[in-house]
Amino acid sequence: DVKVTQSSRYLVKRTGEKVFLECVQDMDHENMFWYRQDPGLGLRLIYFSYDVKMKEKGDIPEGYSVSREKKERFSLILESASTNQTSMYLCASNRGLGRGEQYFGPGTRLTVT
Amino acid sequence: QQQVKQSPQSLIVQKGGISIINCAYENTAFDYFPWYQQFPGKGPALLIAIRPDVSEKKEGRFTISFNKSAKQFSLHIMDSQPGDSATYFCAASKGGYQKVTFGTGTKLQVIP
Repeated sequence: DVKVTQSSRYLVKRTGEKVFLECVQDMDHENMFWYRQDPGLGLRLIYFSYDVKMKEKGDIPEGYSVSREKKERFSLILESASTNQTSMYLCASNRGLGRGEQYFGPGTRLTVT
Repeated sequence: QQQVKQSPQSLIVQKGGISIINCAYENTAFDYFPWYQQFPGKGPALLIAIRPDVSEKKEGRFTISFNKSAKQFSLHIMDSQPGDSATYFCAASKGGYQKVTFGTGTKLQVIP
């Protein structure tokens, strides 16, 4: 059974803190993605990676960075968390980029106070 | 820039009825149109997908209708059941080395 796991289901951080969200997939997928999900805005792509150490900006990369040191792991970093980054963060992976089925993790609900 | 517009934002349907969710896209280069289903507390999961060379695709009670000239596609859920209550996202992509663009989502509630 395919699996994408995220390090935390719920996270509460203070404004200005550095935040790490971790994602691991066990399907040997080349591509991994970070989205944020907000009511009325749907899923918006933050960053994606098509290979180890490779990354591409999505639609809303400002305030975020990513790291992919190993094929199975993709980290999202908030260098200095702000209240407008309070959101649900979803990680996904796939094979085949645009036409490949994306497998999503359960999400991390981040609250920045 | 919203490249995939989805409506309605929420939908209430009685058990046994037909649920219809509509999406419209702008980029004529899109050539892959998936629908994802998300239950509370879970990540989205692929439900059904269509390529623009066909006008309809059916899987069980779920059907995608595709109108290339109008740049619109829709999801029909026949004989809707309470277990179908979820948020549905349409999406579109150009394939290859390209990302997927998602719609804003429709929260469906099927009442007994």
